[in-house]
Amino acid sequence: EVQLVESGGGLIQPGGSLRLSCAASGFTVSSNYMSWVRQAPGKGLEWVSVIYSGGSTYYADSVKGRFTISRDNSKNTLYLQMNSLRAEDTAVYYCARAELDYWGQGTLVTVSS
Amino acid sequence: DVVMTQSPLSLPVTLGQPASISCRSSQSLVYSDGNTYLNWFQQRPGQSPRRLIYKVSNRDSGVPDRFSGSGSGTDFTLKISRVEAEDVGVYYCMQGTHWPPGAFGPGTKVDIK
Repeated sequence: EVQLVESGGGLIQPGGSLRLSCAASGFTVSSNYMSWVRQAPGKGLEWVSVIYSGGSTYYADSVKGRFTISRDNSKNTLYLQMNSLRAEDTAVYYCARAELDYWGQGTLVTVSS
Repeated sequence: DVVMTQSPLSLPVTLGQPASISCRSSQSLVYSDGNTYLNWFQQRPGQSPRRLIYKVSNRDSGVPDRFSGSGSGTDFTLKISRVEAEDVGVYYCMQGTHWPPGAFGPGTKVDIK
């Protein structure tokens, strides 16, 4: 059974850093492309980043230069390193597999002083 | 970048009656391989998004057959043949043809009259 479990969210001050994790089971992360999608409170879905099986990475303009997507093949885990956080980054962050056929339960990031 | 629009943004429906959501893209979603990568997602209150339809008209596993997708090029439709109480939520279309970046529609909120 495919499962994705995010962790690492929390309350962080503006300008701070946070690393989100997405532990996968039932499939191999490195054999699929994996995405992060976020949802601000009461808002719609926003694609954030993708990492392909070959290692190429892409980012939404809103996070480019501040966020870094990566994976640990030995742990079958996806990561999102978030630096220079802003209030507008406050959202539930979801990881999703390939063509977004499986999603995790999400982890809430709140950026506030 | 591709922009996705949806209408209506709010859709009150009567139980047992049909419902229809329109999605339009700013560019054709026909990919060079001949496929059209247009997906539909359902997000029930308090839950993670769930993919319902991929490549315009293919239902994901476990999706009731009262859900159907159609369309081509830039115009797409999600139909629910007879709305049930469990169908309440927000529905998003998303293009996967000109990826990255991913592009979601703004969402259509379906609730019961």
